Amino acid sequence: AQRVTQPEKLLSVFKGAPVELKCNYSYSGSPELFWYVQYSRQRLQLLLRHISRESIKGFTADLNKGETSFHLKKPFAQEEDSAMYYCARGSARQLTFGSGTQLTVLP
Amino acid sequence: DSGVTQTPKHLITATGQRVTLRCSPRSGDLSVYWYQQSLDQGLQFLIHYYNGEERAKGNILERFSAQQFPDLHSELNLSSLELGDSALYFCASSVGSGVSVAEAFFGQGTRLTVV
Repeated sequence: AQRVTQPEKLLSVFKGAPVELKCNYSYSGSPELFWYVQYSRQRLQLLLRHISRESIKGFTADLNKGETSFHLKKPFAQEEDSAMYYCARGSARQLTFGSGTQLTVLP
Repeated sequence: DSGVTQTPKHLITATGQRVTLRCSPRSGDLSVYWYQQSLDQGLQFLIHYYNGEERAKGNILERFSAQQFPDLHSELNLSSLELGDSALYFCASSVGSGVSVAEAFFGQGTRLTVV
């Protein structure tokens, strides 16, 4: 079974500090990986996907097949980045989500 | 607005009752996914329909069922409700039968409270 692991339930950093949200996935072929974000009282929305290698709101994520990781990084965290972040893996039939990491950026 | 519409937004009902949650996918999307988000379980995949057919089942209880209609809207039926069924139920839609390169777009969810 596919598994997506986010080891940190809660993460707090100060504004301006770098942030890294960890995500590991179970190995199986060529994964399709995504990061979703859920701001307070808003819908879950796609932040970025590994296939497009983009940077959204200053966030980047690199797929490391050797370590089966897809960590989300931002060099300088902002208070508006405070949200719940979910790593997800796509397959032909479903998206499997990690348990999520609640990021709080302190002033 | 992602174009995925879920109704109702909030629902409060008593234990033992039955409710129906409705989802209208984005125009052109054939796939509908249902997810349950609770405080202790996180985001759990329930079921996936593609063009009216069930494609995948996740952690969906037997008391729950779903269907996708010819106009592609979907309904999630929850019966014999228990307190533990209180959660946010999300619907998502995507163009294809999978989410390999086409991302799924989520609705705002229906918050179900069972009292």
